[in-house]
Amino acid sequence: QVQLVQSGAEVKKPGASVKVSCKASGYTFTSYGISWVRQAPGQGLEWMGWISAYNGNTNYAQKLQGRVTMTTDTSTSTAYMELRSLRSDDTAVYYCARVRGVGWFDPWGQGTLVTVSS
Amino acid sequence: QSVLTQPPSVSGAPGQRVTISCTGSSSNIGAGYDVHWYQQLPGTAPKLLIYGNSNRPSGVPDRFSGSKSGTSASLAITGLQAEDEADYYCQSYDSSLSGLYVFGTGTKVTVL
Repeated sequence: QVQLVQSGAEVKKPGASVKVSCKASGYTFTSYGISWVRQAPGQGLEWMGWISAYNGNTNYAQKLQGRVTMTTDTSTSTAYMELRSLRSDDTAVYYCARVRGVGWFDPWGQGTLVTVSS
Repeated sequence: QSVLTQPPSVSGAPGQRVTISCTGSSSNIGAGYDVHWYQQLPGTAPKLLIYGNSNRPSGVPDRFSGSKSGTSASLAITGLQAEDEADYYCQSYDSSLSGLYVFGTGTKVTVL
């Protein structure tokens, strides 16, 4: 079955970087894009960006431009999201999701909790 | 950042019908882009509920239905069940400079 499995929880200090992985299985990885979405504690969903697994093209949310980088490794069917210069308000659960059709997300990874604390 | 506006909460008794609105703008829903809906049960990842305004993925009960008109969309749940208590989010494509996709503010459905 189609599945996205993310890396484990991370604890980082302010100013550090974090890199979250998302390993896909059950489908042809390069046929779909991957989006990253985050959810701060008790808050709603925030779209972070999208990467084409076919050619590596990216599109990032304006508020994260310059701090986020999304990449893929087609040899292992894995997507990565790196966020730099972490702040306390980056504390959130980070999700990856396969992008289908004209832009719906299915399925989603299980989520990765990133805690930024001194 | 553009957002789609949803009511913070709706509630209903078991068996009742509830609806959740999702109001956008001319850069997303009003521009003709499709609306999709997700259900998020407590402590879990979101799950696709409706795609392309009104289509249900395999396995989603037909108690859930979606519609779209103008700059808004709606999700209806008929025959409300206890297991439907969750957060619901709408999502669409956005042509503004802030990014490709946008989510709704989220609605908590409570089964009384």
